[in-house]
Amino acid sequence: DAKTTQPPSMDCAEGRAANLPCNHSTISGNEYVYWYRQIHSQGPQYIIHGLKNNETNEMASLIITEDRKSSTLILPHATLRDTAVYYCIVRVANYGGATNKLIFGTGTLLAVQP
Amino acid sequence: EPEVTQTPSHQVTQMGQEVILRCVPISNHLYFYWYRQILGQKVEFLVSFYNNEISEKSEIFDDQFSVERPDGSNFTLKIRSTKLEDSAMYFCASLLGQTNTEAFFGQGTRLTVV
Repeated sequence: DAKTTQPPSMDCAEGRAANLPCNHSTISGNEYVYWYRQIHSQGPQYIIHGLKNNETNEMASLIITEDRKSSTLILPHATLRDTAVYYCIVRVANYGGATNKLIFGTGTLLAVQP
Repeated sequence: EPEVTQTPSHQVTQMGQEVILRCVPISNHLYFYWYRQILGQKVEFLVSFYNNEISEKSEIFDDQFSVERPDGSNFTLKIRSTKLEDSAMYFCASLLGQTNTEAFFGQGTRLTVV
C-alpha cells in the first residue's frame, strides 16, 4: 500500500501558485519523496524528488518539513495544462534490488481554473 | 530528451488470445518495469526486471504474464490468454538504477479485450 496521504482534489486559479500537501508520517531515513503527475490517461510524468532538503527545478519546488513527515509540492504559476492527478510517493532508492519500484496511491486531482 | 517508447498505442484483442506489448526503455537504464491502470483506478505495479531476470512481481502478475528482453533493447510483456479484466492501460518504465534517480514512463498501451 501507498505510504502517503493526499487530499483527493484541489482547485487553483490560473496564474496562482498551487500548493499540494502530502503526509508521509512513517517515512524511513533512507526513503526519498517523489512527485509524479498524470495528465488524463497518459504515462506518469516525473516532477521532482528530495530526501530532506528543499528542492527546485524548472517545473516545481518541493518543501520537506524538518521531521520529514510531510511535504508540499509547489507549482509557482499554475496553467490550465497543469490540470492532472499528482502523486506523492516515498521510495527507497538503492542501487540494486526490487525496492526501486514506485507504489502509487490515489493522488490529488488538481483542477486549474481559468 | 531520451524517452521510453511503447507500441502499439492501442490494441484490441479477442478474449483468449495472446498479446505482446512492446517497450523500448531508455538506452543506458538498468531497471525495467510494467505497470497497469484499469480505467478509473490506481496505477498498479506488475513486475520489475533487472539483470535479465524478474526481481519482483505483484500478485497480479500470475502465470498468464511473462516478460523478456529478447535483444537488449526491447522489453516485452506477454499475456498468454487474455481475459476481459485484462483491459487496461499498460505502462512501461525504466530507471537508471543508481541512487537518487527517477523512473521514466512511456505513454502506455491501451489494451481492450473483447
